[in-house]
Amino acid sequence: EVQLVESGGGLVQPGGSLRLSCAASGFTFSSYAMSWVRQPPGKGLEWVSAISGGGGATYYADSVKGRFTISRDNSKNTLYLQLTSLRAEDTAVYYCAKEIEAARSEYNWLDPWGQGTLVTVSS
Amino acid sequence: SYDLTQPLSVSVALGQTARITCERSNIGSKNVHWYQQKPGQAPVLVIYRDTNRPSGIPERFSGSHSGTTATLTISRAQVGDEANYYCQVWDSSTDWVFGGGTKLTVL
Repeated sequence: EVQLVESGGGLVQPGGSLRLSCAASGFTFSSYAMSWVRQPPGKGLEWVSAISGGGGATYYADSVKGRFTISRDNSKNTLYLQLTSLRAEDTAVYYCAKEIEAARSEYNWLDPWGQGTLVTVSS
Repeated sequence: SYDLTQPLSVSVALGQTARITCERSNIGSKNVHWYQQKPGQAPVLVIYRDTNRPSGIPERFSGSHSGTTATLTISRAQVGDEANYYCQVWDSSTDWVFGGGTKLTVL
């Protein structure tokens, strides 16, 4: 069974940093691109970042470019998202999700998703 | 930006058919995916590439699209179908884009 388990969320002050992790199991991790999607409390979904299966290509939403860094360790079957220069508007549940190919394209979709980890940015 | 427009809410009588729309000018040329999210849970894929249903998703869920509108249809709606539903496409300039979400209520 494919399983994704996020961790690392918590309360952080504005301007602070946090690293999120997503532990994957049940599939050949390096064969699939991965994405992070966030959801502010009571609001909709926003794609944040993605990385190819091999880790050589990374992608970011304009809202986080230059502040967030996505990476992966295929030897540990783990996806990461480093969050820096955090703002109140970054407060959200952060989900990791598996894409269906190693390379990203318009033919992919996201399935499954992890249960999410909550990041709260507040003083 | 690439915006997908969904109605904020849709209501349907128990056992009837619910239709949730997702609009954008050229959505007919895109692969559209649909996710169901129940309160406190992660999104779950219910339709991929416009019309395809993942294993485990009831046949009551179907998708279609043409022109400017993609539609998620839920036949014989059940109380357990109450959730927020999101459409999604991939755009070359903005990557993954989600609709604003539609809250489905079964009366």
